[in-house]
Amino acid sequence: EMQVVESGGGLVQPGGSLRLSCAASGFTFSTYWMSWVRQAPGKGLEWVANINQDGTEKYYVGSVKGRFTISRDNAKNSVYLQMNSLRAEDTAVYYCVRGGGGGSSSSPWGQGTLVTVSS
Amino acid sequence: DIQMTQSPSTLSASVGDRVTITCRASQSISSWLAWYQQKPGKAPNLLIYKVSRLDSGVPSRFSGSGSGTEFTLTISSLQPDDFATYYCQQYNNYSGTFGQGTKVEVK
Repeated sequence: EMQVVESGGGLVQPGGSLRLSCAASGFTFSTYWMSWVRQAPGKGLEWVANINQDGTEKYYVGSVKGRFTISRDNAKNSVYLQMNSLRAEDTAVYYCVRGGGGGSSSSPWGQGTLVTVSS
Repeated sequence: DIQMTQSPSTLSASVGDRVTITCRASQSISSWLAWYQQKPGKAPNLLIYKVSRLDSGVPSRFSGSGSGTEFTLTISSLQPDDFATYYCQQYNNYSGTFGQGTKVEVK
């Protein structure tokens, strides 16, 4: 069964940092783009970042450029999102998803991990 | 950046109704268009990819069409399990922008 599982969410103060992790299984991880998508409370889906198969191409939504970094470790079937200089508006459920770029639709999705930025 | 505009934002319908949701891209996205269904408290699920291809297990009452910049999701006969929020997404090489979502609610 194809699966992705996020971890690393939590409560962080404004200006702080957090690193999200996503472990993938059930598919050949190194052959897929991977993405992070977030959903603020009561709001719609927002694509955050994606990364190509070998990590040489990375793209970000404008609001996180320079603050967030997506990376991957194909040996560990994992993708990461390093989030720095966090703001209240970054509060959301963060989903890891296979695809979401490079001509691959987004599936499967993880269960999401909640990031709350608050003092 | 490519912007995706979805309409309507809310749609009131009854079981058995034919429902259509529209998604417009700010520039051509070829066929890199997908539709997702999301229920409260759950992660989204892929319904349709590459404009019109149904994901495995998706009922045939769902269909997608369009090209270039204008796309539609149609539910031919709305079922009780279909009341949810639907999102379109373009997924070209450089980004994966979503539409704002369409909530299908009970009329």
